[in-house]
Amino acid sequence: GQNIDQPTEMTATEGAIVQINCTYQTSGFNGLFWYQQHAGEAPTFLSYNVLDGLEEKGRFSSFLSRSKGYSYLLLKELQMKDSASYLCAALDSNYQLIWGAGTKLIIKP
Amino acid sequence: DVKVTQSSRYLVKRTGEKVFLECVQDMDHENMFWYRQDPGLGLRLIYFSYDVKMKEKGDIPEGYSVSREKKERFSLILESASTNQTSMYLCASSLRHEGNTEAFFGQGTRLTVV
Repeated sequence: GQNIDQPTEMTATEGAIVQINCTYQTSGFNGLFWYQQHAGEAPTFLSYNVLDGLEEKGRFSSFLSRSKGYSYLLLKELQMKDSASYLCAALDSNYQLIWGAGTKLIIKP
Repeated sequence: DVKVTQSSRYLVKRTGEKVFLECVQDMDHENMFWYRQDPGLGLRLIYFSYDVKMKEKGDIPEGYSVSREKKERFSLILESASTNQTSMYLCASSLRHEGNTEAFFGQGTRLTVV
């Protein structure tokens, strides 16, 4: 079956760096998305990776290893507003999104 | 600014009622989706549509139906609401491209069935 695994919850300190991991098993693969979702709000797009390597976008970076079925989202210089859930989703061979359950990130002062 | 709008933020309905959730997008997107989101389960696809009057079942279509009479509007219908359909419902839309098909989400409808 198809599956996305990511940690349920993580805690980090304001100003620090945190890495949120995601492993996936899908029927075919056409890319991996990261979304951010604040409590009670809609998910918003953060990044898309389809080739191996690191994509950097300001304080956020996303990494993909297709051979390992692995991705991570790296958040630098954490701010209190980064407290949110981070959703990993893989695009399968039918271009359907397979979603992880999300990682709740708690930022402490 | 791109926008996906869901008709209600909060709804409370009684068991057995027929419930309509409406979603409208103003981006001329071909694809529209309905998900439900429950704690610990992630987003689960109920139905999706790639074109007007076209619909495809997702992973959990039982107890739901959809309607897409116009490109910008995608409606989710609970034929006879049950308590296990209490959930957050999210509508999304995207362009009909393969690959980086970024999905834009509505603000969600939190439905409680009593």
